Amino acid sequence: EVQLVESGGGLVQPGGSLRLSCAASGFTFSSYAMSWVRQAPGKGLEWVSAISGSGGSTYYADSVKGRFTISRDNSKNTLYLQMNSLRAEDTAVYYCAKGYYEVVRGVIYYYYYMDVWGKGTTVTVSS
Amino acid sequence: EIVLTQSPGTLSLSPGERATLSCRASQSVSSSYLAWYQQKPGQAPRLLIYGASSRATGIPDSFSGSGSGTDFTLTISRLEPEDFAVYYCQQYGSSPYTFGQGTKLEIK
Repeated sequence: EVQLVESGGGLVQPGGSLRLSCAASGFTFSSYAMSWVRQAPGKGLEWVSAISGSGGSTYYADSVKGRFTISRDNSKNTLYLQMNSLRAEDTAVYYCAKGYYEVVRGVIYYYYYMDVWGKGTTVTVSS
Repeated sequence: EIVLTQSPGTLSLSPGERATLSCRASQSVSSSYLAWYQQKPGQAPRLLIYGASSRATGIPDSFSGSGSGTDFTLTISRLEPEDFAVYYCQQYGSSPYTFGQGTKLEIK
């Protein structure tokens, strides 16, 4: 069974840091693009960041660029989101989600839609 | 950045009726890289449609997606009680991979 389990959320003061983790199982983790998506209380979904299967390509929303860093450890089947300089508006449930890939004539293409989601971890930024 | 605008914001229908949800992009979505998700209260989103019209694994054929360029549609042919939820579109053709603001489908 494909499974994603987020951890690392909690209460942090403005300006503080937090590192989220997402443990993956049930699929070949290193082959797939992965993303982080967040949802502020009572609001819609906001795409935060994504990373290719190899980790060689990373992408960020403007709202987090320069403050958040996405990474992955394919030997540990784990995705990370390092969050620095946190603000009140970063308060949200953070979801980890699995993307897709295909190989066409020897070239790997990654697709950043999300076909499997974790249950989320809550980050609260408040003094 | 591609801005996705979903309409209507809220759609009130009865079970058995047909639902049509719209997602309009501020610029063309390359290769129809448009996905739809369903989210129920307290749950993570679930993928319904990718590539504008391909159903995800396990999604009933009452759900269908269509469109290209800047205009996309999610249609639910006959509403079941469990279909009442919030629906989001997302483009993954160019970063940032933005979501629409959502359409709430509620029971009339």
